[in-house]
Amino acid sequence: DGGITQSPKYLFRKEGQNVTLSCEQNLNHDAMYWYRQDPGQGLRLIYYSQIVNDFQKGDIAEGYSVSREKKESFPLTVTSAQKNPTAFYLCASSKIRDRGDQPQHFGDGTRLSIL
Amino acid sequence: QKEVEQDPGPLSVPEGAIVSLNCTYSNSAFQYFMWYRQYSRKGPELLMYTYSSGNKEDGRFTAQVDKSSKYISLFIRDSQPSDSATYLCAMSARGNYGQNFVFGPGTRLSVLP
Repeated sequence: DGGITQSPKYLFRKEGQNVTLSCEQNLNHDAMYWYRQDPGQGLRLIYYSQIVNDFQKGDIAEGYSVSREKKESFPLTVTSAQKNPTAFYLCASSKIRDRGDQPQHFGDGTRLSIL
Repeated sequence: QKEVEQDPGPLSVPEGAIVSLNCTYSNSAFQYFMWYRQYSRKGPELLMYTYSSGNKEDGRFTAQVDKSSKYISLFIRDSQPSDSATYLCAMSARGNYGQNFVFGPGTRLSVLP
């Protein structure tokens, strides 16, 4: 079955540590996105990528980094510079068409907590 | 004013009730409208996706878009306990670098047996 796989499901970060969240999709989608979800708030965009080796900052990129070396993969690193990393992180992907926008599809998220 | 506002809930209804979930938005550039269902500790699941003003029906779900009023709704008929979840509205418009998506904060729905 096609879909988006995020791992791990739960992750704990120590003070001063960088951690990497994995996102893999087999939907042959062009665009991939990372969101952060906090209670009572809408999804906030961290980074997005339309094509391999290119990505753009979203609204809350500070303290995060990404790479897009393969179409299928878009890992997110939460660096020690992110002082409030505790949240639910969601990866999404969508097809790009010349005409008409396409909806996003989501993985099942990674819950990150501070030790 | 936030770009997308959504009734915060929580909303509790008895099984079999008709549920109405609503969002308003301020940016007239939004052209595409989506509703997602999110169960606890899971990612959002796409329920409905529509472009034009009017109604779109899929089983027990109807999405309604009124672009002139900048108002979208999701109706759930014959609601079931399995419909208990958080519902997110979302909308998109073309930006300088692909699509820009904006999400509402979600409405938590409980359907009581």
